[in-house]
Amino acid sequence: AQSVTQLDSHVSVSEGTPVLLRCNYSSSYSPSLFWYVQHPNKGLQLLLKYTSAATLVKGINGFEAEFKKSETSFHLTKPSAHMSDAAEYFCVVSDQRGSGGGADGLTFGKGTHLIIQP
Amino acid sequence: DTAVSQTPKYLVTQMGNDKSIKCEQNLGHDTMYWYKQDSKKFLKIMFSYNNKELIINETVPNRFSPKSPDKAHLNLHINSLELGDSAVYFCASTQRGAGLSYNEQFFGPGTRLTVL
Repeated sequence: AQSVTQLDSHVSVSEGTPVLLRCNYSSSYSPSLFWYVQHPNKGLQLLLKYTSAATLVKGINGFEAEFKKSETSFHLTKPSAHMSDAAEYFCVVSDQRGSGGGADGLTFGKGTHLIIQP
Repeated sequence: DTAVSQTPKYLVTQMGNDKSIKCEQNLGHDTMYWYKQDSKKFLKIMFSYNNKELIINETVPNRFSPKSPDKAHLNLHINSLELGDSAVYFCASTQRGAGLSYNEQFFGPGTRLTVL
């Protein structure tokens, strides 16, 4: 079984300051981890993904995340927030299993709503 | 070109009706999914479909049924709609890697279903 916990339902930062969105995961297998972003009334867009290569992953729009197996964490960061970053962010896990596994969709965290103050 | 498309974008209907949502992907992927996003933004998988193998999340009522006429399409049929079915439904697709790797999923824009 796999699960994701996003530790903050809302995060508010000022424009130009760093962003930290926290995520912890649980997985019985070697996980693939993703961050998706959803802007208001829009679909989901992939920000970045970890699939057992480098532990520090760089994504689009200046975001990056670090996979820490010892802490079972995959926190998302950005050095300087922009107004256009205001959105809902989802941490997502997918087990890496062999064929024949069960429903192999992604397991989503409950989301973190990022608010950017001017 | 839109990678994953869904129609309609909005669907408003009465309780008890039967409706369908269509999904098409032009990415050549072999696996497609349906997700439900509730009013609290929580996303949960409903189905995955790969090479004619349908895997159903056990919590999905049997009023929901996916239909795949070909590899590029996975439509969602809903019978006897209920108020609690109101949500945003997302279609997604991926190409399952060989062995143990799983690639990212590409999502459609969503269909907002409102049951009155």
